[in-house]
Amino acid sequence: KAGVTQTPRYLIKTRGQQVTLSCSPISGHRSVSWYQQTPGQGLQFLFEYFSETQRNKGNFPGRFSGRQFSNSRSEMNVSTLELGDSALYLCASSWGGSAYEQYFGPGTRLTVT
Amino acid sequence: ILNVEQSPQSLHVQEGDSTNFTCSFPSSNFYALHWYRWETAKSPEALFVMTLNGDEKKKGRISATLNTKEGYSYLYIKGSQPEDSATYLCALMYSGGGADGLTFGKGTHLIIQP
Repeated sequence: KAGVTQTPRYLIKTRGQQVTLSCSPISGHRSVSWYQQTPGQGLQFLFEYFSETQRNKGNFPGRFSGRQFSNSRSEMNVSTLELGDSALYLCASSWGGSAYEQYFGPGTRLTVT
Repeated sequence: ILNVEQSPQSLHVQEGDSTNFTCSFPSSNFYALHWYRWETAKSPEALFVMTLNGDEKKKGRISATLNTKEGYSYLYIKGSQPEDSATYLCALMYSGGGADGLTFGKGTHLIIQP
């Protein structure tokens, strides 16, 4: 069974730009969650999508948004990038959501200059 | 804001020794606790998901216990091996819809010394 994939793996953007990250879950998984990992804050929950609906949302500004497609693939968008958005962005898929084992992708390393 | 505390922050253990570390959390509205292992340059890997007070789970040399009434979980590693070197994360889900998804602790960084 193929694992969770994320593209791109690395990205360098300039302040003020926007970025879109993609996540393809394990086949059959309907839940995709996104996390931001920074050295100071650890892993922080961004949002969770289940069957194309946003089910949960963490405490992040509206510049962070996402969506999920009918094939369960998910995208995350960050608009008006700030230096503080530099982080590792991980997505995780699961069969049913946060109560179930999360299968993490390799992450996208975003650097904002 | 939920506060998930992991201790110690880092730990050096001799190969062959056993070790354990702690995840502490607010006990009200508890729904599920997860443990993950995160090795350098890899993705976090699920170890256990635990939901019931008194739960004990085991996978090879690694085991975990859960006390939801007092708000803590222990992770034990028996006979540490170099491949156990990793950061171990616990994460909590609370009832009430899990509006915040999983809340992660900052992890225990385990280094096994040969």
